[in-house]
Amino acid sequence: AQKITQTQPGMFVQEKEAVTLDCTYDTSDPSYGLFWYKQPSSGEMIFLIYQGSYDQQNATEGRYSLNFQKARKSANLVISASQLGDSAMYFCAMREPGGASYDKVIFGPGTSLSVIP
Amino acid sequence: EAQVTQNPRYLITVTGKKLTVTCSQNMNHEYMSWYRQDPGLGLRQIYYSMNVEVTDKGDVPEGYKVSRKEKRNFPLILESPSPNQTSLYFCASSLKTNLNYGYTFGSGTRLTVV
Repeated sequence: AQKITQTQPGMFVQEKEAVTLDCTYDTSDPSYGLFWYKQPSSGEMIFLIYQGSYDQQNATEGRYSLNFQKARKSANLVISASQLGDSAMYFCAMREPGGASYDKVIFGPGTSLSVIP
Repeated sequence: EAQVTQNPRYLITVTGKKLTVTCSQNMNHEYMSWYRQDPGLGLRQIYYSMNVEVTDKGDVPEGYKVSRKEKRNFPLILESPSPNQTSLYFCASSLKTNLNYGYTFGSGTRLTVV
């Protein structure tokens, strides 16, 4: 069974500091993708970053990087130099593209990040 | 503009009155999906579709129906809504062959069943 765990319901970070949001996952499929999404208070879902299970290097997108530790099944999001606009809910998600037979994407419960001036 | 369009944005209805939430995308995406978001539970997948006429259950399909007669449209049908279906619903789509850009989400539909 698939499962995504985000153990931090809420976090605070000082502006300009770096913060790590934890995500662990559980799958028996060797091929999968990991994503992070941001949901500001306005409600829209914003795609941040993607890591494939076969990717050798950790994904980076601007101030976002994904610390991928495959053996530990962890995919933590690192936000460098936090800004006030980073205050939002963050969701970790996993997709298993099983060819023609299935293609589920599941989300974790989310972490609420508050950036303090 | 490339987008996923959901309607309506807000809906209040009564128990048992059938309703449909529409979802349309203009990006020629094969893959479409419906989620519901509830506090503390994140987003849970209701149904997904890998292409026209191909649909499959997600983790919480009970009480919902979908159809995929055309590539661009993926409506969510609640035949007999109940209060426990009060939630925030999202439609999403993506290219099946390119996961690197994740989903494109609609703006959400906030449904209240009284």
